[in-house]
Amino acid sequence: KQEVTQIPAALSVPEGENLVLNCSFTDSAIYNLQWFRQDPGKGLTSLLLIQSSQREQTSGRLNASLDKSSGRSTLYIAASQPGDSATYLCAVRRGNTNAGKSTFGDGTTLTVKP
Amino acid sequence: DARVTQTPRHKVTEMGQEVTMRCQPILGHNTVFWYRQTMMQGLELLAYFRNRAPLDDSGMPKDRFSAEMPDATLATLKIQPSEPRDSAVYFCASGFGQGETGELFFGEGSRLTVL
Repeated sequence: KQEVTQIPAALSVPEGENLVLNCSFTDSAIYNLQWFRQDPGKGLTSLLLIQSSQREQTSGRLNASLDKSSGRSTLYIAASQPGDSATYLCAVRRGNTNAGKSTFGDGTTLTVKP
Repeated sequence: DARVTQTPRHKVTEMGQEVTMRCQPILGHNTVFWYRQTMMQGLELLAYFRNRAPLDDSGMPKDRFSAEMPDATLATLKIQPSEPRDSAVYFCASGFGQGETGELFFGEGSRLTVL
């Protein structure tokens, strides 16, 4: 059974800092890994999707990396802003097709202080 | 603007009542997932469908929950009878099937409170 762990559970940083969120998974037989953002009372917004054959993806100030062999992914946020405050979740889809189900971590709640 | 649409957004009901939540996946997506989110358990997969056929509903309490896709544009999740422990936010997500990236797109969720 796939287990996904996100560390830390909560993080508070001053505006402008660069930061890294971590996601680890126990089963390396994955199809993809997806990072989401969730604002309070809202749904999940997709940030980045990394296929199992890829090492990283970038979108603006966000960079996600994937190391399948070690079962780890990181989400790097550059020059953090108060608007980045949210909960960040990673989801790992198992298997070798996109028919597998995704397992979510419990998330990291980020607070960026002005 | 393609999005997953869920109704109702909020539902308050009394224990024992039937609750039906609906989801309209993004047009063209053929994979639909139902997740439940609580503070204690986080996001749990309840069921998912591909081409309207259920692939996995092992996460769903079978005695009271049922999930269906009457057609490609509608997925339903029904609870009968509802219990206070069912209080949670229920999310629907959709994506493309075979040959695509497998990216998931989520709706805004249905917040259920069972009194």
